[in-house]
Amino acid sequence: NAGVTQTPKFRVLKTGQSMTLLCAQDMNHEYMYWYRQDPGMGLRLIHYSVGEGTTAKGEVPDGYNVSRLKKQNFLLGLESAAPSQTSVYFCASSSPTIPPYNEQFFGPGTRLTVL
Amino acid sequence: AQSVSQHNHHVILSEAASLELGCNYSYGGTVNLFWYVQYPGQHLQLLLKYFSGDPLVKGIKGFEAEFIKSKFSFNLRKPSVQWSDTAEYFCAVNWGLTGGGNKLTFGTGTQLKVEL
Repeated sequence: NAGVTQTPKFRVLKTGQSMTLLCAQDMNHEYMYWYRQDPGMGLRLIHYSVGEGTTAKGEVPDGYNVSRLKKQNFLLGLESAAPSQTSVYFCASSSPTIPPYNEQFFGPGTRLTVL
Repeated sequence: AQSVSQHNHHVILSEAASLELGCNYSYGGTVNLFWYVQYPGQHLQLLLKYFSGDPLVKGIKGFEAEFIKSKFSFNLRKPSVQWSDTAEYFCAVNWGLTGGGNKLTFGTGTQLKVEL
């Protein structure tokens, strides 16, 4: 049981490049989330999903897109990276039906630098 | 708007000192409350949570927190800190299940440094 995994762990991009971050969970959780963590700002929700094929915007969605084609995977895309997107990205998952109910489990994070 | 405030941004303590970290949230209703810890270079781990019942909750590693509904607060405490408690601590709130998704709103975090 690996929990929540994220790939890659580190990435450096140039302004304007695109990339996709992959999150996978093996707990059969319905809900998945993408956060970004910046110094002094805590974690802020980018997008989330309550089920396969369904996504919704969080607090800071601009510049990001997501897809949830399979229940266990949640992809975060940056179409045209900007230096303001330099951050650490965390994925999380939770379930309202599988114990521990409504507790979010986090992945190890992806450190992204945009030059 | 829903918000979570952590008033102490940086705390430095000596080993064996007592710890209390403040957390306040913006308004009431049904809330689920969490404290997460992030050790250097690691991902977030759950310390403790409150959903209902006894407002004094105990978590891992000797941490506890008290939910005071009238004050919209959920302060984290530990009677005697250790050097290994050096980490960043985040309070998070979920305002019920309306709209689905169990979205969490995080505070800005408190950096705790414990000196030997």
